[in-house]
Amino acid sequence: AQSVTQPDIHITVSEGASLELRCNYSYGATPYLFWYVQSPGQGLQLLLKYFSGDTLVQGIKGFEAEFKRSQSSFNLRKPSVHWSDAAEYFCAVGAEYGNKLVFGAGTILRVKS
Amino acid sequence: KAGVTQTPRYLIKTRGQQVTLSCSPISGHRSVSWYQQTPGQGLQFLFEYFSETQRNKGNFPGRFSGRQFSNSRSEMNVSTLELGDSALYLCASSYGPVGEKLFFGSGTQLSVL
Repeated sequence: AQSVTQPDIHITVSEGASLELRCNYSYGATPYLFWYVQSPGQGLQLLLKYFSGDTLVQGIKGFEAEFKRSQSSFNLRKPSVHWSDAAEYFCAVGAEYGNKLVFGAGTILRVKS
Repeated sequence: KAGVTQTPRYLIKTRGQQVTLSCSPISGHRSVSWYQQTPGQGLQFLFEYFSETQRNKGNFPGRFSGRQFSNSRSEMNVSTLELGDSALYLCASSYGPVGEKLFFGSGTQLSVL
């Protein structure tokens, strides 16, 4: 069965600093991998998706993620964080059938000015 | 194109009652999934419907059920509500059958008293 681990529950970065959110997954085959962002009381917005091809994936809002099969990781990065990036970020892995996603526990990002 | 619409936005019920939540997917999307989000358990998959057929089901009791109509709109029903059913219920739609990007609604916040 698939599983996702996001080791950091909270991360605080200064505005303008770089960001990396960690994600490790467990899945036997080549996974579908996603990053979503959620603002308080809202639904989830897709940042980016990986399935195959280039292991560095570009997403919206200046985010990118790198797939590393050897480390079973799919870390999210942004070179310069803005105050509006403060939110909760979820990494997810897709199932082998259908569109079911297994989500990690999430990482809450705080941005300090 | 309109996004995923969930109604109602907020709901307050008492233990033992039943509730029906509604989801209208993005036009043209054939897959609708439901997730439960709580502070303790995070995001958990409930079920997925594709072209009116339930394809995947999460590990929830039989009190949780759903259906999808021919126009792809979906409803989920929870019978005999328990306090632990208090959660944000999120609906997501996608176009294709496997590994698709999910587009989420803003959710229905259910409080069981």
